[in-house]
Amino acid sequence: DTAVSQTPKYLVTQMGNDKSIKCEQNLGHDTMYWYKQDSKKFLKIMFSYNNKELIINETVPNRFSPKSPDKAHLNLHINSLELGDSAVYFCASSQESQPQHFGDGTRLSIL
Amino acid sequence: EDQVTQSPEALRLQEGESSSLNCSYTVSGLRGLFWYRQDPGKGPEFLFTLYSAGEEKEKERLKATLTKKESFLHITAPKPEDSATYLCAVRDPNTGNQFYFGTGTSLTVIP
Repeated sequence: DTAVSQTPKYLVTQMGNDKSIKCEQNLGHDTMYWYKQDSKKFLKIMFSYNNKELIINETVPNRFSPKSPDKAHLNLHINSLELGDSAVYFCASSQESQPQHFGDGTRLSIL
Repeated sequence: EDQVTQSPEALRLQEGESSSLNCSYTVSGLRGLFWYRQDPGKGPEFLFTLYSAGEEKEKERLKATLTKKESFLHITAPKPEDSATYLCAVRDPNTGNQFYFGTGTSLTVIP
C-alpha cells in the first residue's frame, strides 16, 4: 500500500494554464506539506496543514492555492502557470515528532 | 541565513571505499535531525532521526552520528546500490511543524 500518493506523476502544460496536483496519505497523520524541489535538489517548503488548518504559508505567489478537504488529502492548485514554476512538487505527511513521509513527486514542466 | 548546509555537494567512491557525508546546522534547541535518501524519480525516503549530541544510529552500511553543530553519515564499504542523493533536515525548534532541508550530497559508487 502506498503511504503518500500524488497525482499526476508528470504534468506538461502551457504557460498561462491552470492546473491541480492531488495528494493523499493513508498513514493517519495529522500534518501534510507541499514542497518544491528545484533542479539543484533543494527542497523548500511551501505550505503545511494540520488537521485541515493552514499552519505554514511560506512566501509563495498567490497563484498557488492549497486546499485540504480532510486530513488525509491536500491538493495544490496553480493559476496562470509561469516558466519558473517548472520543478518537482512533493507532498509529505508527518505525525507529531515523527519524521516526514514523502510521495514520489509531480514533475511539472511548463512549455 | 541557511539553517542546514551539506558537504560535499557530490561524492564519487569506488566500491568498498568508505567515506563520510557532512551536515552542519545552525538551529539552537535541536528538536530532531533527519537523514533521508532520495533515488532519481522518487521522493525522499527516511533513514534516521537523531535528537541529542553523541547519539548514533546504524542501518546496514550506514551510520549517522550527531554533535552539537553537525551530523555525519558514515558509509562503510559502499556498494553501487548505495548511489543516491542523501538529504539532511532539521525540525524548526519553535514551530515543530517546519523542516529545513540541506541541498544534499549526490553519492555515486563505482563498481
